[in-house]
Amino acid sequence: DTGVSQNPRHKITKRGQNVTFRCDPISEHNRLYWYRQTLGQGPEFLTYFQNEAQLEKSRLLSDRFSAERPKGSFSTLEIQRTEQGDSAMYLCASSLRSQGLRNEQFFGPGTRLTVL
Amino acid sequence: GENVEQHPSTLSVQEGDSAVIKCTYSDSASNYFPWYKQELGKGPQLIIDIRSNVGEKKDQRIAVTLNKTAKHFSLHITETQPEDSAVYFCAASNPQGGYQKVTFGTGTKPHVIP
Repeated sequence: DTGVSQNPRHKITKRGQNVTFRCDPISEHNRLYWYRQTLGQGPEFLTYFQNEAQLEKSRLLSDRFSAERPKGSFSTLEIQRTEQGDSAMYLCASSLRSQGLRNEQFFGPGTRLTVL
Repeated sequence: GENVEQHPSTLSVQEGDSAVIKCTYSDSASNYFPWYKQELGKGPQLIIDIRSNVGEKKDQRIAVTLNKTAKHFSLHITETQPEDSAVYFCAASNPQGGYQKVTFGTGTKPHVIP
């Protein structure tokens, strides 16, 4: 499968614990995005990487959240001291800069986080 | 920032009939409007898109229309089939710092009645 992959698919944690999610984009894609999706809502933008550089972060991304893309390939999203309000689906997407205006983003299946 | 509103949130449609989903956006700088379909347990998948210099685009049973003046755009599904049951998201995209930032609507879930 050459699509975007995310691991784990599901994560259940207790409040206060740290969690880390991984995203592997489509191999030639240089742009990578993280979104959060809560029940009944559309994906909300969290952050964007071009290669290894994190170029934009949403105000939704509090200081408990950190994302990295160390070699411009896979990315990790870490949430420290999780809160119940962090329970959501975390989606990763990637795109290829050369697609210009169209900028079609290809989404992974998401990681569903439940904070107890 | 951009704000995208989407209606209805759910709709019932008889198999074989047409369905329409409507969206509005707020930022006149938005210049690209993708539509995504999300099936249960999967990430959103692009099904059709339209650029701001085009008023209408069709791909088999789906079509999108864009009224840039009114900041309205719509998705039309004809001859609905059971496999059309999923959540559909409209989105508006505008250039920000060299990339296209995408803002999604809240989703529409059609229920296709056999």
